[in-house]
Amino acid sequence: EVQLVESGGGLVKPGGSLRLSCAASGFTFSNYNINWVRQAPGKGLEWVSSISSSSSYIYYADSVKGRFTISRDNAKNSLSLQMNSLRAEDTAVYYCARDSSSFDYWGQGTLVTVSS
Amino acid sequence: EIVMTQSPATLSVSPGETVTLSCRAGQSVNSNVAWYQQKPGQAPSLLIYGASTRATGIPARFSGSGSGTEFTLTISSLQSEDFAVYYCQQYNNWPPYSFGQGTKLEIK
Repeated sequence: EVQLVESGGGLVKPGGSLRLSCAASGFTFSNYNINWVRQAPGKGLEWVSSISSSSSYIYYADSVKGRFTISRDNAKNSLSLQMNSLRAEDTAVYYCARDSSSFDYWGQGTLVTVSS
Repeated sequence: EIVMTQSPATLSVSPGETVTLSCRAGQSVNSNVAWYQQKPGQAPSLLIYGASTRATGIPARFSGSGSGTEFTLTISSLQSEDFAVYYCQQYNNWPPYSFGQGTKLEIK
């Protein structure tokens, strides 16, 4: 069974940092690109970042470019999102999602709240 | 960036009815459109990819159609578990991937 489990969310002050993780199981992690998608409270879905299977290609939404860093460890079947210089508008549930062109499997999400 | 526009924002329907949700792309995305269902407190789940192919385990009452810039998701014989928010997404021209703003299906 394919599983993606996010962790690392929490309350952080504006300007602070947080590192999210996504643990994958049930499939060959190293064969797939993986994405981060976020959802602000009561809002729609926003793509955040994508990393290719071998980390050769990395992309970011303009809203997070220069502040967030995506990375992966294929040996550990894990994905990370380092978030720096956090803003109130980064408050959201963050999902990792497997990329099969469409996003065929999603984790349950982890909530990040940026507030003083 | 390709803008995806969904209509309507909210649809009030009764169980057993058939509904059609619309999604328009700002430019052609061929058939590279997916539809997702999201229930309250849950992650989105894939319903349709390639504009018309049902994902694994999705009932036949869900069907997708369209190509280019106009796409529809039709749900026939609505069941209670179908009341949720539905999002379309294009994956033809990325980055960025873009989602529509969602259509909420509510019980009349």
